[in-house]
Amino acid sequence: DADVTQTPRNRITKTGKRIMLECSQTKGHDRMYWYRQDPGLGLRLIYYSFDVKDINKGEISDGYSVSRQAQAKFSLSLESAIPNQTALYFCATSDFYQADTQYFGPGTRLTVL
Amino acid sequence: ELKVEQNPLFLSMQEGKNYTIYCNYSTTSDRLYWYRQDPGKSLESLFVLLSNGAVKQEGRLMASLDTKARLSTLHITAAVHDLSATYFCSDDTDKLIFGTGTRLQVFP
Repeated sequence: DADVTQTPRNRITKTGKRIMLECSQTKGHDRMYWYRQDPGLGLRLIYYSFDVKDINKGEISDGYSVSRQAQAKFSLSLESAIPNQTALYFCATSDFYQADTQYFGPGTRLTVL
Repeated sequence: ELKVEQNPLFLSMQEGKNYTIYCNYSTTSDRLYWYRQDPGKSLESLFVLLSNGAVKQEGRLMASLDTKARLSTLHITAAVHDLSATYFCSDDTDKLIFGTGTRLQVFP
């Protein structure tokens, strides 16, 4: 079984809808991250969390919110989706004692119409 | 603006040839990460370079880090088709900035 899972894997929604993307991990890592990937722009960090009570904004947090429900779960919400949030979203985890090498989930492809 | 820049952005090379991908960064990071992404897939870690002068090798890939020059390189030796992928470098600051990636295609 995959160590980092994301649901859903694909989602098509309409402008203005609320969307939640979920990430779960079995690696036992404290640190979790959400990124978006756009063609030609690499990955950009949205939010990250170093433990259950810690939430930090990344480079592009506007229009997004997150919830760290447990060590193993980190959710990303789009309160009112807009078309320029169409992208591939990745969750990742890392462990400080493993040099913070990141382990990525399979990705969620989100399309906002 | 803090940046991580890779070049080239696209690299088409013949099997058996050598080439180097460059990652220049303007951040204060002391570490540098390299990842590989196959088409339609997620990213997987290749190397983590922990300090100035660090060198890591795995198969036909070798990565190095010069923190004084704020430069990391990923050297490909005797390329094979299986190395075709997109390669990303990333810094270790709190914004975890990724380069835009180098798309590598290896042809016979």
